[in-house]
Amino acid sequence: AQSVTQLDSQVPVFEEAPVELRCNYSSSVSVYLFWYVQYPNQGLQLLLKYLSGSTLVKGINGFEAEFNKSQTSFHLRKPSVHISDTAEYFCAVSESGDDKIIFGKGTRLHILP
Amino acid sequence: DVKVTQSSRYLVKRTGEKVFLECVQDMDHENMFWYRQDPGLGLRLIYFSYDVKMKEKGDIPEGYSVSREKKERFSLILESASTNQTSMYLCASSPLRLGVLTEAFFGQGTRLTVV
Repeated sequence: AQSVTQLDSQVPVFEEAPVELRCNYSSSVSVYLFWYVQYPNQGLQLLLKYLSGSTLVKGINGFEAEFNKSQTSFHLRKPSVHISDTAEYFCAVSESGDDKIIFGKGTRLHILP
Repeated sequence: DVKVTQSSRYLVKRTGEKVFLECVQDMDHENMFWYRQDPGLGLRLIYFSYDVKMKEKGDIPEGYSVSREKKERFSLILESASTNQTSMYLCASSPLRLGVLTEAFFGQGTRLTVV
C-alpha cells in the first residue's frame, strides 16, 4: 500500500528566501503525486500535480516540484517566499489503478519578516 | 468551478448520539472521500466510494459508516459518537479514472465537537 512521509512538520523561513518542503513516498507501482495547500481557516487547494511526462512540475503561486523516481521523492520548492505563503502544505499520492489518495502529515510553513 | 458542499461548518454533539455528516458535489464525479484532519496527523482516509452504493474502507474506518444512495451525495455516519471523534472532517470528490486520476476537490470541512 502506498504511503507518504513529509520529513518536516514545521519549516521557518525568512521572507524572500527560497524554501524546499520535502516529501517521500512508498509504492510498488506507478504513482500520481500532488501537493495541496491549506491557508488558515480554509479548505484544501491543489498547488500542483504530477501525472506523467516531465518530472518538473510547475504550479500556482510560483511553486514547483520535481518527481524523482529513483529517490521516490516529490519535493516542493519556491525560489522566494512571501508572507502570504504562510500555510500548511500536504503531499499526497495515488497509485495507478487505485483511486485512493493518501496524504502526508503536513508541513507548516512559517514566514519570518 | 467544482463545488463540494458540506452541510455544516460546525457541529456539537453529545457522546452516544448518532451523527450524520453530509456532502454533496455538483460535478458528476464518481469518486467521493471522507477524511479526518487532526493536528500533527494530517489527513487520514476514513472511507471512499467509487460509485453509487459502492464503498471501501480507508485507513481508519472504525466507529464510522457511510452511505451513498445517489451519485452526488456521500454521507458519513458516526454510529455512537465518542469524544475521540472530535475532529475536522473533510469531504472530497474526484473524477473516475480514465487511465488517470486528476485531482481531488475538497469541501470546506465540518468541525465536529463531541462532548
